[in-house]
Amino acid sequence: AQSVSQHNHHVILSEAASLELGCNYSYGGTVNLFWYVQYPGQHLQLLLKYFSGDPLVKGIKGFEAEFIKSKFSFNLRKPSVQWSDTAEYFCAVNAVRGGKLIFGQGTELSVKP
Amino acid sequence: DTAVSQTPKYLVTQMGNDKSIKCEQNLGHDTMYWYKQDSKKFLKIMFSYNNKELIINETVPNRFSPKSPDKAHLNLHINSLELGDSAVYFCASSQGSSYNEQFFGPGTRLTVL
Repeated sequence: AQSVSQHNHHVILSEAASLELGCNYSYGGTVNLFWYVQYPGQHLQLLLKYFSGDPLVKGIKGFEAEFIKSKFSFNLRKPSVQWSDTAEYFCAVNAVRGGKLIFGQGTELSVKP
Repeated sequence: DTAVSQTPKYLVTQMGNDKSIKCEQNLGHDTMYWYKQDSKKFLKIMFSYNNKELIINETVPNRFSPKSPDKAHLNLHINSLELGDSAVYFCASSQGSSYNEQFFGPGTRLTVL
């Protein structure tokens, strides 16, 4: 069965620090990959997505992610975080033939001003 | 203009009661979903409808019954509420199957006392 694993449950950073959130999935076929963000008290919003092509994808608010097929990974990065990036981050995977979006357990990011 | 809206935002009720949550999307999408987010922030799909037809029905107690009167609406009715039903319920929509980007509603926080 498909599964998605996010390495970190809670990450605490100071402003201007660099961020990398790990995401690994288990599925051998073609996948679409997503990172969603949930700001405190708000709904989920799409940060970025990968369907095909360049494995380095850029999203909103300076976020990017790299798809490494051989490692079944889709890690999220940002060179310099801001206090406003404090939120819950979810990696999600959809096997193109599977029909369901499977979410990781989420990573809570706290950025100290 | 709210793309995906849910009502109510908060729902507090006693065990054993029956309640409904409504969802509407104005994006013109043909697929809608219900997700449950538990106290640990884990998101799991419950149901998916495409053009008013049920296409995903996860292992959910039959006390939960979704209804889609038209493509723009997907309601969730819950009978005989239990303490374990307390969670945040998110509605989402997408165009085509779930491998496309999903747009989420603001969530309904259900508390069963």
